[in-house]
Amino acid sequence: DGGITQSPKYLFRKEGQNVTLSCEQNLNHDAMYWYRQDPGQGLRLIYYSQIVNDFQKGDIAEGYSVSREKKESFPLTVTSAQKNPTAFYLCASSPGRDNTEAFFGQGTRLTVV
Amino acid sequence: AQKITQTQPGMFVQEKEAVTLDCTYDTSDQSYGLFWYKQPSSGEMIFLIYQGSYDEQNATEGRYSLNFQKARKSANLVISASQLGDSAMYFCAMREGGNYGGSQGNLIFGKGTKLSVKP
Repeated sequence: DGGITQSPKYLFRKEGQNVTLSCEQNLNHDAMYWYRQDPGQGLRLIYYSQIVNDFQKGDIAEGYSVSREKKESFPLTVTSAQKNPTAFYLCASSPGRDNTEAFFGQGTRLTVV
Repeated sequence: AQKITQTQPGMFVQEKEAVTLDCTYDTSDQSYGLFWYKQPSSGEMIFLIYQGSYDEQNATEGRYSLNFQKARKSANLVISASQLGDSAMYFCAMREGGNYGGSQGNLIFGKGTKLSVKP
């Protein structure tokens, strides 16, 4: 089945560690996105990529990094520079054409311990 | 300034009744799209309905309809015949412009409305 797969579903990180969240899609979509969601809040854009080997910062990129070496994959690294990383992270993709919906993965819940 | 405003943090509705979830937006673009997503407690985001800024008719998808009032910049979601499974967070989102390759085109979300359906 076509879709977006995020892994792991739950992730625990010690303070000072970097962790990488995986996002893979087999929808042949050009555009991919990472969002952060805090309790009771909407989604805020961290990074986005509209083509392989190119990505742009979103509204809250500080403390995060991404890569887009393959069309299907858009991993997000939460670095030790991110002061408050505990949150729910959602990856999405879209065809990249105007006014098409984004399809989301199941999310990764990251907790700093 | 907020681009998407959802003024109802929480709503209750009786099963089988209709409910309207409010959404207002702010943009200076002529071309934009409006989206509604449902987020159950599992966390996944489920696409419900889309309305383009040039669409003259209100969008409908099954029990979901979008009450689009362009002059008032509102895009309210109407759920008819509510079911217990409709209990979830609902997010309104907007995609501005049509420029592929720029920062336009990203979905901007409101803070959401938590809908609870009572039996």
